[in-house]
Amino acid sequence: AQSVTQLDSHVSVSEGTPVLLRCNYSSSYSPSLFWYVQHPNKGLQLLLKYTSAATLVKGINGFEAEFKKSETSFHLTKPSAHMSDAAEYFCVVRLMYSSASKIIFGSGTRLSIRP
Amino acid sequence: DSGVTQTPKHLITATGQRVTLRCSPRSGDLSVYWYQQSLDQGLQFLIQYYNGEERAKGNILERFSAQQFPDLHSELNLSSLELGDSALYFCASSPWGEPDTQYFGPGTRLTVL
Repeated sequence: AQSVTQLDSHVSVSEGTPVLLRCNYSSSYSPSLFWYVQHPNKGLQLLLKYTSAATLVKGINGFEAEFKKSETSFHLTKPSAHMSDAAEYFCVVRLMYSSASKIIFGSGTRLSIRP
Repeated sequence: DSGVTQTPKHLITATGQRVTLRCSPRSGDLSVYWYQQSLDQGLQFLIQYYNGEERAKGNILERFSAQQFPDLHSELNLSSLELGDSALYFCASSPWGEPDTQYFGPGTRLTVL
């Protein structure tokens, strides 16, 4: 079965320290992987995407993620957290079949930033 | 602002009723996606349309239906509403040739009483 697991429902870090949001996927096919951010009362915004090109993907706002096939992981990182990073983050997998696709969202990780 | 608009912003209705949510994609985007976000089920993909035709189906209930019109706007119809249908409903659109880049609207918050 195809799925995506976000290992932490809530992560809290101090401003200026590194951020790590973990995501593991399960897929029999080569997936496309994404990270989205959702600020309170807002829609989702694409942070970055992996679509079988470079395994280290750089996104907006200083975020990046590394696709590790051997570990079936796609963790999101940022070297230095900013107060504006406080939001909900979703790891998403898109599976392409011959005539259709399936999109699966992780359960989300709420990121809090301490001053 | 993503360029995707959704109306209404809020909707309050009673069980058993039927509602229609509307989405206008970004100018030039042919694909429209519908998602449901609820506290107990999280974010779920419902359905995708491309240039008026259904392209992919997710966890969409039989009570729900959608369509995309010639002007590319889309409507999501929810009928025989239940309490559990209360959720945020998002629409997203993607540019031609970039199915993996989706721009989300602000959502419609549906409350079923």
